[in-house]
Amino acid sequence: TQLLEQSPQFLSIQEGENLTVYCNSSSVFSSLQWYRQEPGEGPVLLVTVVTGGEVKKLKRLTFQFGDARKDSSLHITAAQPGDTGLYLCAGRPMDSNYQLIWGAGTKLIIKP
Amino acid sequence: EAEVAQSPRYKITEKSQAVAFWCDPISGHATLYWYRQILGQGPELLVQFQDESVVDDSQLPKDRFSAERLKGVDSTLKIQPAELGDSAMYLCASSRRSYNSPLHFGNGTRLTVT
Repeated sequence: TQLLEQSPQFLSIQEGENLTVYCNSSSVFSSLQWYRQEPGEGPVLLVTVVTGGEVKKLKRLTFQFGDARKDSSLHITAAQPGDTGLYLCAGRPMDSNYQLIWGAGTKLIIKP
Repeated sequence: EAEVAQSPRYKITEKSQAVAFWCDPISGHATLYWYRQILGQGPELLVQFQDESVVDDSQLPKDRFSAERLKGVDSTLKIQPAELGDSAMYLCASSRRSYNSPLHFGNGTRLTVT
C-alpha cells in the first residue's frame, strides 16, 4: 500500500514565525501536488512539483521535491493569519497512470 | 473562472433513508472524482471516472453506494440506505485528461445522518 505521511498533523504558531510541513513516503512519485483547504470549501491547488530536487516559490511559500521523488516539504516564511488552513499533499505513483495518493493533511493555525 | 458545481450544499437525513448528490464538472474535464472527507483529514477516493467509464471504485462501499456519469459530463452519487457513519463531507473534483493535471474541487456536500 502506498502511503503519504504528513507531519506535523497540527501546528499552531504566532504570526510572523516560520514553519515547515513535510510529506514523506517510501514510494517514488512522478509528481506531487500541494493543496490548501479552508473550512467549508474544497481543496485548492497551490503547486505541482515534477522534477527531483525541484524548488518552487509562491510568494512566502517555498515547495521542494526530494531528489529521489519520495518526499516533499512546504516552508512558509513570516506566516500570516491568512495562511490558516488544512495543507494536503497528493502524489502520482510512478507505477500507476491514474492514481492520486493523498496525505492526511496538516492543520495549520496562525494566531494574530 | 469555471468552477465545479455541487448540490446540495448541506443535507440532513435519517438513517436508512436514501440520499443523492450531484456534481457538474468544469467543461472539458474528462476525469471526475468523488471523495469523502472526515473533518480535518485528507480526502478518501470513492470513485473515479474517465469520461463515462469507472476507472477506480475499489473503495466504494458497493452494497450501499452507487455512482454514475451517464453522458460523461455531470455525475450523481447515491447512498441507500444511509448509515450514521456516512456523515462526512462529499467532495467532487474534475481534471483534464493529462496525467499531472491538477484537480479542481467543488465546495462539497456536508451530509449529516441522524
